Amino acid sequence: QVQLQESGPGLVKPSQTLSLTCTVSGGSISSGGYYWSWIRQHPGKGLEWIGYIYYSGSTYYNPSLKSRVTISLDTSKNQFSLKLSSVTAADTAVYYCARTTLARAFDIWGQGTMVTVSS
Amino acid sequence: DIVMTQSPDSLAVSLGERATIKCKSSQSVLYSSNNKNYLAWYQQKPGQPPKLLIYWASTRESGVPDRFSGSGSGTDFTLTISSLQAEDVAVYYCQQYYSTPSYTFGQGTKLEIK
Repeated sequence: QVQLQESGPGLVKPSQTLSLTCTVSGGSISSGGYYWSWIRQHPGKGLEWIGYIYYSGSTYYNPSLKSRVTISLDTSKNQFSLKLSSVTAADTAVYYCARTTLARAFDIWGQGTMVTVSS
Repeated sequence: DIVMTQSPDSLAVSLGERATIKCKSSQSVLYSSNNKNYLAWYQQKPGQPPKLLIYWASTRESGVPDRFSGSGSGTDFTLTISSLQAEDVAVYYCQQYYSTPSYTFGQGTKLEIK
């Protein structure tokens, strides 16, 4: 059974870069047919898709965040990562990684990790 | 971007009664080549990640109780819980995946017990 787990700092200073990693277990991140997404949820708010990466390395980002986002893949560790630059308090949120398919959208989610942007 | 609008924002239903949540998209999410609506429903309980309930507007994810059903096509969709159980208290989100890769979610509907 595929499971996802986010990891990374829970506190990031304004203007710095937020860096998170999602470790995939129970399956290979290199399997075709799956995209690997990052999604965030501001406190008490709804869900915002950040972007995804395909096993080939192709990436697609939310246009509203595109200038600050980089998603990368490490197939040797079965992980994918998120970098969000120039963060502000508005980037404070719970960040989720999720497996994505063209048929079933976001079918498997990690538990999420809270990231606070504060000095 | 396709805007997803849910109604109501919150809902209180008695145990054993039917709960109905609506979702409207700003443009059709029906893909004509395969006649599939690219619309999903998720359930999120406090402190947990969202859980996929329904995809293609009406297909239940494996393991989801059959009291959950999805319907609709084009721009108007409904999630129905036929007989509300205590464990169904949650926030429910609709999401379109027609306009990939720009996925968008509804604002959520909070379901409580009356």
